[in-house]
Amino acid sequence: GESVGLHLPTLSVQEGDNSIINCAYSNSASDYFIWYKQESGKGPQFIIDIRSNMDKRQGQRVTVLLNKTVKHLSLQIAATQPGDSAVYFCAEKRTGRRALTFGSGTRLQVQP
Amino acid sequence: KAGVTQTPRYLIKTRGQQVTLSCSPISGHRSVSWYQQTPGQGLQFLFEYFSETQRNKGNFPGRFSGRQFSNSRSEMNVSTLELGDSALYLCASSTGTSNDEQYFGPGTRLTVT
Repeated sequence: GESVGLHLPTLSVQEGDNSIINCAYSNSASDYFIWYKQESGKGPQFIIDIRSNMDKRQGQRVTVLLNKTVKHLSLQIAATQPGDSAVYFCAEKRTGRRALTFGSGTRLQVQP
Repeated sequence: KAGVTQTPRYLIKTRGQQVTLSCSPISGHRSVSWYQQTPGQGLQFLFEYFSETQRNKGNFPGRFSGRQFSNSRSEMNVSTLELGDSALYLCASSTGTSNDEQYFGPGTRLTVT
């Protein structure tokens, strides 16, 4: 069943291409950032995180870039696969606080 | 190991009723956070419990409450349901330490008619 917003921005890419999903965060005090993937009918799944003392972090097929100057975060997915189709959320928090503040999400559609 | 489980998965209630949702965290995790997800507001933090104590609370009215048991299982309660409470309620389990990874359950889909 649907678990995400009806009017999400959508990024449509061809299988095998690279995807870039962007996020602007609001709280300059945030020092910890996470990307989540949410598939239909499931809860958000952790992809990768980054702390504010870094500007880039790489995982398996994913890279997160952080630009604190303009409060911008991006998620790059290499060689996008159909299984990557989902809604992607960025989240921010401040160390010591428990609450995650989520962005509004981007729907990624991978065309075979 | 088993993931986060939430029960029930789907629920239909009528305005004015109350509802209780349950979350069982990953074994060994002591922190449970609750989030509400709606199309209009997205994912919003409700509250977090650690070792049976509420540590953090979001900006929701007092109709939303929760508790945590000694085995770390948590429940949240919504009283006097309103149509706007229709949402996916997600719980997230973690160790409770700083910047620890939060593991989300599949959610409980609540529909208020």
